[in-house]
Formats: sequence, structure tokens, C-alpha cells
Amino acid sequence: DSGVTQTPKHLITATGQRVTLRCSPRSGDLSVYWYQQSLDQGLQFLIQYYNGEERAKGNILERFSAQQFPDLHSELNLSSLELGDSALYFCASSGWTQGYTFGSGTRLTVV
Amino acid sequence: QKEVEQDPGPLSVPEGAIVSLNCTYSNSAFQYFMWYRQYSRKGPELLMYTYSSGNKEDGRFTAQVDKSSKYISLFIRDSQPSDSATYLCAMRKSGGYQKVTFGIGTKLQVIP
Repeated sequence: DSGVTQTPKHLITATGQRVTLRCSPRSGDLSVYWYQQSLDQGLQFLIQYYNGEERAKGNILERFSAQQFPDLHSELNLSSLELGDSALYFCASSGWTQGYTFGSGTRLTVV
Repeated sequence: QKEVEQDPGPLSVPEGAIVSLNCTYSNSAFQYFMWYRQYSRKGPELLMYTYSSGNKEDGRFTAQVDKSSKYISLFIRDSQPSDSATYLCAMRKSGGYQKVTFGIGTKLQVIP
């Protein structure tokens, strides 16, 4: 157990629907990062939150949004889902200068 | 051009071989360099974490950073079938809570 908890582990939904992915960071880590990993693709950075505020943004689609709550857990909201959104979504957390600790990911399948 | 370039492989080696994995990068602001191992459909796990140029050894793993050439390497000695995974290089700038940029990952298979 890495200490980063992601739920759900698997999600199957239809095109056009909206889903919410949840992440609880490792104890003491203030920053949360979301990544998308499609088949045969690398880890694509989506967005970073630090202590409740957005800190950096990657190539995140307008249909996607995220937030970090006062208890530091984070949610990634994906709406108007398309087949191409099917991917593994990873959350990671970090301290000041450490490397990331990743969760086990949420596998999203859009049918 | 991507900030971090990594050959996706796949790379197949016999058990016991020395494996060499490497990445190049273009952003001279990167100061911290990492290697992650990712088993199929699992979350990446941090293997090595180094600062600036030089070598770092941890068991069978050695990480090398050459900032002048913008080139980093990971060596695995006495490779085992359990080392079969995708290895991602990663790097970040100095300062707190910086975003990490990843290579695409090299898929390694160690054949018994």
C-alpha cells in the first residue's frame, strides 16, 4: 500500500455520462497531481493542486475539472465522456521535494 | 519536440544480463531526476531519486545523471524475471511541489 488511495478501481460508463474519481493523498503530503495514461501512451499530466489551490495545469480538457478539499483529498470530474477518454487515471501526491507517490489508479472504460 | 525522450522498446534480455535504460531531455532547468517502475496496469513506484549530476547506487540499481549532456541512465545488474516491467524516467525543476515530467517508459522483459 503506497498510502495514496484512489477510488473506484474500475469504472465502466456510457458515452455522454459524467464520472467522479477520488484520491486521498499520503499522510502529510500537501500536493496532489492527476495523470492520464492511455494504452501505449505515457503519463499525461492533467492538473496539480497544492493545499486546496490549483498550482499547475497540463493538457486537461475543458470537459474535465478537479478540486482539492480542505481535508486534502481530491476529485477529478470527467463529463460528456467520449470513447477516447478510456484510460487509466492516476493520482499522485508529494511533499516538498520528494518524488511522487502514486495510487493504484482508476481504470475508466467508456462504452 | 518532447521535453523528455525515452525509447519505448520493448527490450528483451536474458536473466542475469546487465540492463541499460536511458533518457534524454531538453530543459536545462531540470534538477531532480527519478526512475519509476510500473508493472502492468499498476501505479508507478519510485525506484531512484537523484539530485543534479552524478551516480547513485541502490542494490542492483545504479542511476547516472550527466547534466552537461542532458542524459540520464538506469543500470540494472543481474537482471531477474521480476524486473520485467515498464521503466519511466522522470524529472523536475528545483523548488517545492514542482510538477514531474515523465518519459514514455521503456518496456523491459527479462527472459528466464
